[in-house]
Amino acid sequence: SAVISQKPSRDICQRGTSLTIQCQVDSQVTMMFWYRQQPGQSLTLIATANQGSEATYESGFVIDKFPISRPNLTFSTLTVSNMSPEDSSIYLCSVEDGGFNTEAFFGQGTRLTVV
Amino acid sequence: AQTVTQSQPEMSVQEAETVTLSCTYDTSESDYYLFWYKQPPSRQMILVIRQEAYKQQNATENRFSVNFQKAAKSFSLKISDSQLGDAAMYFCAYRAFYGQNFVFGPGTRLSVLP
Repeated sequence: SAVISQKPSRDICQRGTSLTIQCQVDSQVTMMFWYRQQPGQSLTLIATANQGSEATYESGFVIDKFPISRPNLTFSTLTVSNMSPEDSSIYLCSVEDGGFNTEAFFGQGTRLTVV
Repeated sequence: AQTVTQSQPEMSVQEAETVTLSCTYDTSESDYYLFWYKQPPSRQMILVIRQEAYKQQNATENRFSVNFQKAAKSFSLKISDSQLGDAAMYFCAYRAFYGQNFVFGPGTRLSVLP
């Protein structure tokens, strides 16, 4: 199993500013995933972050808007840049245990409100 | 691309009764995993149950069981003896056997009535 600590848990930000979300895992993992969950909606994958390489972004998400860092096997950050009210969402960090009993573990999420 | 569909945006059940949440998916793969995740108001995603596609036997975890119909690409979740703490959003999810990421359905909001 994996325990994920995600910070901040919530924030209210002014439009045009940027927010960096941190994700710390209690064990080394190869891949970390960042999801966006808009109000009342499902989870949409933003990008996959591997240590030592550029993150892989899903269609509709770009590095300039959502830069990701992955400096080591236990930590990653997602920045939401030049925010607008449409960026108001829950952002979730996730890892997979990679073992036989594959399972995704999630942080508690960051509730972002852009005003 | 794989897709996951949950046709019931909202469901309700009386406490102690049984409810079934529906999920269908589309894939061309033969080996994969299916999951049901629960997201209570705390936002913490919690794994409820997992099914490996190569296993014919339906997975069971205490009050939670699934009806996995591989040919029909159907994966429903049955909650028995519903409790107030079962109230949450439930997401059906798919992951290819050699895949990297999960594909989530749109979710079903379950209310449990006392």
